[in-house]
Amino acid sequence: DGGITQSPKYLFRKEGQNVTLSCEQNLNHDAMYWYRQDPGQGLRLIYYSQIVNDFQKGDIAEGYSVSREKKESFPLTVTSAQKNPTAFYLCASSPSSLEGLDQPQHFGDGTRLSIL
Amino acid sequence: AQSVAQPEDQVNVAEGNPLTVKCTYSVSGNPYLFWYVQYPNRGLQFLLKYITGDNLVKGSYGFEAEFNKSQTSFHLKKPSALVSDSALYFCAVRDRGSARQLTFGSGTQLTVLP
Repeated sequence: DGGITQSPKYLFRKEGQNVTLSCEQNLNHDAMYWYRQDPGQGLRLIYYSQIVNDFQKGDIAEGYSVSREKKESFPLTVTSAQKNPTAFYLCASSPSSLEGLDQPQHFGDGTRLSIL
Repeated sequence: AQSVAQPEDQVNVAEGNPLTVKCTYSVSGNPYLFWYVQYPNRGLQFLLKYITGDNLVKGSYGFEAEFNKSQTSFHLKKPSALVSDSALYFCAVRDRGSARQLTFGSGTQLTVLP
């Protein structure tokens, strides 16, 4: 079955450490997204990519970095510059960010990141 | 600019009763509107969307939503609630005329009481 796989499910970060969250999709979608979810705040967009080798900052990109070297993969690195990284991180994809404006996004099951 | 508001953090309803989860939006042009559901420690699942046409949209699991342009609302409804409907519900909007990405509401926790 097609879908989005996020790993790991739980991740712990030490002070000063960078950590990378994995997101892989086999839906053949062009667009991929990273969201941060905090209680009572809904989802906030961190980064998105409309096509391979291109990505754009979302609303809360500071302290995060991404790459899009393959269509299937969109890893998110939480850097030590992100001072409050504890959150639930969700990856999503859609057929196209521009042409498929009416298409719903498909979500992975998230990674919960905590600070040690 | 685009925004979406879910005015109720929590909605409680008895099993078998109708349920409504409220959503209002603001866009410059015409909206694409979506409802998603999230179960604990899971990702969001798509329920339904409004693109154009009929104001009453039917979706998965017996849910429906009514688009009201004059009130800029897109409330989620179900005629008879199930305990298994208990979850976190998100409304989302995208302005058709904008390059902006999807904007999500803050979510409404629905609890269906047996």
